[in-house]
Amino acid sequence: QKEVEQDPGPLSVPEGAIVSLNCTYSNSAFQYFMWYRQYSRKGPELLMYTYSSGNKEDGRFTAQVDKSSKYISLFIRDSQPSDSATYLCAMRRGAGNKLTFGGGTRVLVKP
Amino acid sequence: GAVVSQHPSRVICKSGTSVKIECRSLDFQATTMFWYRQFPKQSLMLMATSNEGSKATYEQGVEKDKFLINHASLTLSTLTVTSAHPEDSSFYICSARQGRQETQYFGPGTRLLVL
Repeated sequence: QKEVEQDPGPLSVPEGAIVSLNCTYSNSAFQYFMWYRQYSRKGPELLMYTYSSGNKEDGRFTAQVDKSSKYISLFIRDSQPSDSATYLCAMRRGAGNKLTFGGGTRVLVKP
Repeated sequence: GAVVSQHPSRVICKSGTSVKIECRSLDFQATTMFWYRQFPKQSLMLMATSNEGSKATYEQGVEKDKFLINHASLTLSTLTVTSAHPEDSSFYICSARQGRQETQYFGPGTRLLVL
């Protein structure tokens, strides 16, 4: 079993819809949680960063962490075709530790 | 700020040759740099972690004699794929972190094709 599980998709939504992404993990020691966006043949770009449980909002993006369920989510409101990309969750135990990535979910936002 | 560059962006080489990929942090000092490889439609797999002035720490299953990593300065790390074979063809991505900050900044990646 992988440490971090993520549905590969593709997740296809119409423009303007809410995109809902999630990851589950097995290591309860993870404390730092990140979401990255990766366009085809490009490096990942950090979207959201959260520490421990709770919610964080930044523009159209909302990240949620539920450590009791070992479950994290990313919501994208008012989705745009430019949001079409692969979204990777990542997490680590403590400051300075290496990141463990999920497999990524491919998202397609259709105009 | 927090820009990481990689060079070259694409490289094609013959089997048996060596290829060097550079990773630079342009506007901050990267005390730690990470090298990943990514196969099509798969996630990033950490290959090694390098701290400036120290030997790199390789992940299990990564051959340190094949993938040579040098982190000689706070803004530059290099990955050399020695005696490349077609199975080494992949997307190689570096990332950099300043001190023990939480955030890693990724480079744009280098696509390697070994014929």
